[in-house]
Amino acid sequence: QSALTQPRSVSGSPGQSVIISCTGASSDVGGYNYVSWYQQHPGKAPKVIIYDVDKRPSGVLDRFSGSKSGDTASLTISGLQAEDEADYYCSSYAGLYTFVFGTGTRVTVL
Amino acid sequence: QVRLVQSEAEVRKPGSSVKISCKASGGTFSRYLISWVRQAPGQGLEWVGGITPIYVTPQYAQKFQGRVTITADDSTDTVYMHVGSLRSEDTALYYCARGLIERSPFVASDVWGQGTMVTVS
Repeated sequence: QSALTQPRSVSGSPGQSVIISCTGASSDVGGYNYVSWYQQHPGKAPKVIIYDVDKRPSGVLDRFSGSKSGDTASLTISGLQAEDEADYYCSSYAGLYTFVFGTGTRVTVL
Repeated sequence: QVRLVQSEAEVRKPGSSVKISCKASGGTFSRYLISWVRQAPGQGLEWVGGITPIYVTPQYAQKFQGRVTITADDSTDTVYMHVGSLRSEDTALYYCARGLIERSPFVASDVWGQGTMVTVS
């Protein structure tokens, strides 16, 4: 089970959109529609912002959206705001009731 | 609203073992997947294993098979994780987290504990 591949960092100005990719394989991302995304601020526990590829939990703003094509999932943050500056991790179901996380992406708001 | 409260920080020597706990309060517990996720200092998240208490059988990431044991005690709404043969690379903050949807073994986690720091030195 190798970690899913994410860019180390992405950045954008307030109001812009940024996209974070998450590349896996047919045994995880490509094989199941169980990709989730977590936001983690420094010193805090992760918070789920997308689950099942494109669903938002109650209370999560619609500026966050998810999608998937083949073995790659993506998280789009629209209308970037200062409070979006955080680390973002994707996660996928990987079969046999196991999960795998991505390598993590630091989002910087310029 | 359910809360997950974890045990206090632990310090262990290499080669020893540690058992940490995660107790649920304020909500149902046994029908949800409870995962253990660790984060080494300055590093990313790593899924260690999980259990849905009513289904009993835990699952583990391949690298932890044979070294980690996850158990659940329905009577106290507590999940435990025992890690043996500790090495310095196991130094990390260990989180427990509850699945978003009841009875789903595939779902993301929406309620997280505060984390338990395990230091191996």
